[in-house]
Amino acid sequence: DAGVTQSPTHLIKTRGQQVTLRCSPKSGHDTVSWYQQALGQGPQFIFQYYEEEERQRGNFPDRFSGHQFPNYSSELNVNALLLGDSALYLCASSALAIGNEQYFGPGTRLTVT
Amino acid sequence: EDKVVQSPLSLVVHEGDTVTLNCSYEVTNFRSLLWYKQEKKAPTFLFMLTSSGIEKKSGRLSSILDNKELFSILNITATQTGDSAVYLCATRPDSWGKLQFGAGTQVVVTP
Repeated sequence: DAGVTQSPTHLIKTRGQQVTLRCSPKSGHDTVSWYQQALGQGPQFIFQYYEEEERQRGNFPDRFSGHQFPNYSSELNVNALLLGDSALYLCASSALAIGNEQYFGPGTRLTVT
Repeated sequence: EDKVVQSPLSLVVHEGDTVTLNCSYEVTNFRSLLWYKQEKKAPTFLFMLTSSGIEKKSGRLSSILDNKELFSILNITATQTGDSAVYLCATRPDSWGKLQFGAGTQVVVTP
């Protein structure tokens, strides 16, 4: 049973560029949440998708947007990258029907230069 | 403002020692508290606590919640080098909502 997968593993972008990160949830899961983890900090909630709609959003600017596809996979898009966007981006999947524990993927390390 | 605070921020112990990690919280809405272990990238789920005073155990790890004093403890007994990791706690306001994490406790177990 494949767990949560994310791509790419690492990414280097230049300030002002745009980036798209991808996440495939664990089999049987229908909800995807995205988190940003800066070095030495705990993960910070960006938003959550369920039934292809954004259900909840954290305190992040509109430069951060997302999408969920019919197969439950999800994308995180960040526009106009800032140096402060450099972080580990974690995707977590869950399913209310089976306890709703969030299982995390290995993350995408984004470096903005 | 909601906050989740973990202590200590880091600690170094010898193999075989017992470790106690603390997580206190002040949040508007609370349904459960979760503990994760993060070794390199993906946090791995350890425990979810919803009821005060009921200890959850898994091998050498155990955890308990006090939802009157608003804290939780994670204990690791007979530590091994493989226990070296960052331990994260998080609160959840409802059955499906966002997790609010603390900054984590870095545990280093030396041989």
